[in-house]
Amino acid sequence: SQTIHQWPATLVQPVGSPLSLECTVEGTSNPNLYWYRQAAGRGLQLLFYSVGIGQISSEVPQNLSASRPQDRQFILSSKKLLLSDSGFYLCAWRPPFFLGANTEAFFGQGTRLTVV
Amino acid sequence: GDSVTQMEGPVTLSEEAFLTINCTYTATGYPSLFWYVQYPGEGLQLLLKATKADDKGSNKGFEATYRKETTSFHLEKGSVQVSDSAVYFCALSDQERIYNQGGKLIFGQGTELSVKP
Repeated sequence: SQTIHQWPATLVQPVGSPLSLECTVEGTSNPNLYWYRQAAGRGLQLLFYSVGIGQISSEVPQNLSASRPQDRQFILSSKKLLLSDSGFYLCAWRPPFFLGANTEAFFGQGTRLTVV
Repeated sequence: GDSVTQMEGPVTLSEEAFLTINCTYTATGYPSLFWYVQYPGEGLQLLLKATKADDKGSNKGFEATYRKETTSFHLEKGSVQVSDSAVYFCALSDQERIYNQGGKLIFGQGTELSVKP
């Protein structure tokens, strides 16, 4: 069966410090991968998606970047955190395109980032 | 472009009350529709889904019917429990997004449900 791991679960970082959040998926190949952010009391904002190794699409211009160095690894980074980067970050995956539009996305447990 | 609109929350109900959370969508073609649930401090879990018109998704006492004529996918439960307190998200996926936009799901803004004993 497929699983998704996201870490760390919580993180407190000072303004101006770097960030690296990691997400890995097991039990599948060629997944589509996604990073979402959820601000307190708000909906989900898609930040990045990736359809393959090294292929990153950005949805919202911001202080963050994403990378996919391996098929099942997705990393969210920042060189210098801002206070506004605080939020709940969720990684998700979907099966590859040839399986169609009917499959759901599977989410990790999230990382609570507080920038102080 | 595609969009999902949910009723605003928070929704507060007493235990055993009937629940309806409205969801309407705008999409080209024939999207698949999903309901996700998010418990406090956790990620999203799929609650149910429907992939074509008139399909009914159901799980854990929750139901939703894909109504193409009204472009709706309302979530219902006959008798809610305190443990159903969570945020509920309606989402869609269509064929165009699969091939052109990384297969991303389009989410509604979420509806917070609070059930009191």
